[in-house]
Amino acid sequence: AQSVTQLGSHVSVSEGALVLLRCNYSSSVPPYLFWYVQYPNQGLQLLLKYTTGATLVKGINGFEAEFKKSETSFHLTKPSAHMSDAAEYFCAVSASHYGQNFVFGPGTRLSVLP
Amino acid sequence: DGGITQSPKYLFRKEGQNVTLSCEQNLNHDAMYWYRQDPGQGLRLIYYSQIVNDFQKGDIAEGYSVSREKKESFPLTVTSAQKNPTAFYLCASSISRTSGSYEQYFGPGTRLTVT
Repeated sequence: AQSVTQLGSHVSVSEGALVLLRCNYSSSVPPYLFWYVQYPNQGLQLLLKYTTGATLVKGINGFEAEFKKSETSFHLTKPSAHMSDAAEYFCAVSASHYGQNFVFGPGTRLSVLP
Repeated sequence: DGGITQSPKYLFRKEGQNVTLSCEQNLNHDAMYWYRQDPGQGLRLIYYSQIVNDFQKGDIAEGYSVSREKKESFPLTVTSAQKNPTAFYLCASSISRTSGSYEQYFGPGTRLTVT
C-alpha cells in the first residue's frame, strides 16, 4: 500500500524567496511520483513527474523536484516565488508494478506575500 | 484542443434528489476517474473505469453510481443515499490504468451544493 504525507498544510513565502514544499511517500514497490497544482475552483494541473532515470525532475513554471529514495522524499522547489504561484499543491504516488493506483497527499496551500 | 470537460461548473440541489454530473474527454484515453475533494482532505477516489462498460468502486463509492457506455463519457450520479454530498467533484482520465507511470489529466470540476 502507498501513502503520501505533505508537511505543512499552509506555507507562506515572500515574493522572490525560495519555495520548498515537502512530500514524503511510502510504497512497497518503486514509486512513480507526481506534483500537481490547483488554483481556486479549478482542476489539477500536472507540474512534473518522476518515473525512472534522472532523479532531479524539471517541470513547468520553474518548478523542480528531486527524488531521494533513501529519504523517501520528493520535495518541490522553486528558486524565486511569484505572486502567481499562490495555489494548492498536491503530491501523488502511484505503484509501478500493479497498474495505476494514484494516492494523493492532503495538499499544501502556498501563499506568496508581496 | 484536447481535454476534459465537466458540466455544470456549479450545481445546486435539494436534499433527497439524485443529480448527475457530466464528464467528457476527447483525449482518447481508456481510463477515467471520479474524485471527491473536501477542504483539507485532498482527493478521494469514488469510481474508476479502465475500459468501456467496465468500472470499479474506489474508496468512497457508497451513495454514488457511474456508467461508461462510451469511451469519451463517464457520468457520475450522486444519489439521495449519499449522506454528505456537498463537495467539489473532479473527473480525470489517463491513457491507461495498466501502468503507474501515466499521469492523470483533470477536468475543471463541478461544485455541488445540496441543501
